[in-house]
Amino acid sequence: NAGVTQTPKFQVLKTGQSMTLQCAQDMNHNSMYWYRQDPGMGLRLIYYSASEGTTDKGEVPNGYNVSRLNKREFSLRLESAAPSQTSVYFCASRSDPPPSTDTQYFGPGTRLTVL
Amino acid sequence: GENVEQHPSTLSVQEGDSAVIKCTYSDSASNYFPWYKQELGKGPQLIIDIRSNVGEKKDQRIAVTLNKTAKHFSLHITETQPEDSAVYFCAASGRGSTLGRLYFGRGTQLTVWP
Repeated sequence: NAGVTQTPKFQVLKTGQSMTLQCAQDMNHNSMYWYRQDPGMGLRLIYYSASEGTTDKGEVPNGYNVSRLNKREFSLRLESAAPSQTSVYFCASRSDPPPSTDTQYFGPGTRLTVL
Repeated sequence: GENVEQHPSTLSVQEGDSAVIKCTYSDSASNYFPWYKQELGKGPQLIIDIRSNVGEKKDQRIAVTLNKTAKHFSLHITETQPEDSAVYFCAASGRGSTLGRLYFGRGTQLTVWP
């Protein structure tokens, strides 16, 4: 099992460009998450999906859109990138139902720089 | 939503010494508290977790304690080694409308000097 995979690993964008970050998991998990990590700020939730076909906003959703393509894949899109979106982005997944399966498993991250 | 505070933000110890990282949470309904270790350039990895019906849990050199009354929990690493150097995050689970979410502390950079 590869667990949670993310592509690309690194990306540099210019202000105003768009891009999609890809995430896939092979653990048959129902829930998937997108976080951003900034120095001294910990991990902040952008969006999450409790099941295929559903998405919900987290703490910092502005400037992002998500798509739960199927049970395996959850993508994050930046329509018009801004320098404030320079960050490391992590995808995570969790099996259901809680509370016995609260554990989230993280991917290796995408390091995004917006110039 | 839940608010998790983590201290200290940086911690330096000599190899072989113990390290303690402390977290507090605000929502008394939270009942799951994981700790993650993040090595440089990698994603966070779960190292230990505890549920609210347990006061302490150990796994070799790592232990976590939970005080529900005071709403705080701690990570204890004994006999530290250089490979323990990393950023450690605590988290608390959401409940009710935020069920399935985790709320993270800001992290502690642990450095173990040989």
